[in-house]
Order: sequence, then C-alpha cells, then structure tokens
Amino acid sequence: DTEVTQTPKHLVMGMTNKKSLKCEQHMGHRAMYWYKQKAKKPPELMFVYSYEKLSINESVPSRFSPECPNSSLLNLHLHALQPEDSALYLCASSPRQGASFFGQGTRLTVV
Amino acid sequence: GQQVMQIPQYQHVQEGEDFTTYCNSSTTLSNIQWYKQRPGGHPVFLIQLVKSGEVKKQKRLTFQFGEAKKNSSLHITATQTTDVGTYFCAVTSGTYKYIFGTGTRLKVLA
Repeated sequence: DTEVTQTPKHLVMGMTNKKSLKCEQHMGHRAMYWYKQKAKKPPELMFVYSYEKLSINESVPSRFSPECPNSSLLNLHLHALQPEDSALYLCASSPRQGASFFGQGTRLTVV
Repeated sequence: GQQVMQIPQYQHVQEGEDFTTYCNSSTTLSNIQWYKQRPGGHPVFLIQLVKSGEVKKQKRLTFQFGEAKKNSSLHITATQTTDVGTYFCAVTSGTYKYIFGTGTRLKVLA
C-alpha cells in the first residue's frame, strides 16, 4: 500500500468555524508532513512529525494546530481561519531518506 | 534562507519536441528530488539523485545532478500530451525538511 489518504477532499468553512483535516498512511513511514499550496506556487512546508513528535513548525500561525495520534495518522485542526488561508493542503509521508508520498490534498475555501 | 530556483517558469512545446527544466540552488546539496504535479493533482515522486554528476533515465526522462551538486536538470525527449503538468525539484534543508523549487509548468500542444 503506497497510498496516503486525505479527507475531506473539499472543505468550505466560515471564519468562525472549527474543522479538522485528516491524513492516513500505512507504509510504515515515520515522518509525516503538512504542506500548504497556493495556486501556481510550490508546496510550502508547514509541519513535520517524526516518530510521532513535532520536529518542525515553520512559524505557522496558531490557528493551525497539528496532531499526530499515532504513527499512521496525522490531523490538522483549523480554527478562526482567514480567507487568505484558502489553499490546497497536502499531507505527505516519507522514510528517513527518500521519496515523499503525497495525498490527494484537501481544497480548503474560507468564506 | 535557502532558495531553489527553476527555469523556465513556463514552457509550451509542440508534441514530439524536447523539453528541459533546470533547478538551481544557492547552496551545495546532499541530494535532490524531482516531482510531477498534474493539473488539479498532487505531487508525485519521480526520482532522487545523490551523487555528483549522476545521470538517471526513466524511459523518455533523463535526470542529471551537477558536478558541484548545486544544480540539476530534467530532460524529456519527444514530449507527449501525458507529460503536461508542473515539474518541481525539491531539496533537503536538514533532516525531513524539504524545500520545493519554484516549478516549471509544461504545456504540450497536440
């Protein structure tokens, strides 16, 4: 199984809502990532979990809160987002040295 | 911080023509990865290069890592409409930290 599964595929939320993005992989990868991608731009790293511990936070605003419940799951909790946070949110996983496998992403629209 | 530039930003080619995208780093790299993202899709890993001067081929795709390990190229021979998408290089900046290049968007005209 070389798949990273993200849910939901699309999400529309108001600025006062709380929502969560979910990501799951069963490849035994111990590193999992959240990226944000705006249209016609490269993916921008947000968070990295290695061995279920947060190892990198790229100065992401606190309205984004990551969580890694176990080695297969990664969540991104969203609260009080702004319209400029609308983007494609990509989850990925990788072994220590090697390819990153990306999920299909969640297209988030903040209204 | 580390910058990874790709040129060109866009390329339109006629089907059957060749295509090359270049990735340039301001620092020496330990390795470099290449990804392809189809329109509306997600990045898909193509290859990783590690050694100075390394050349790897995948069918019509040829990947090269520069001798100084500061640049890389992806060359597609005889493009097909299925090659349409954005090609990104990605470099490591510390363990698990990947920085993506600016990307080259390829359009193939049938």
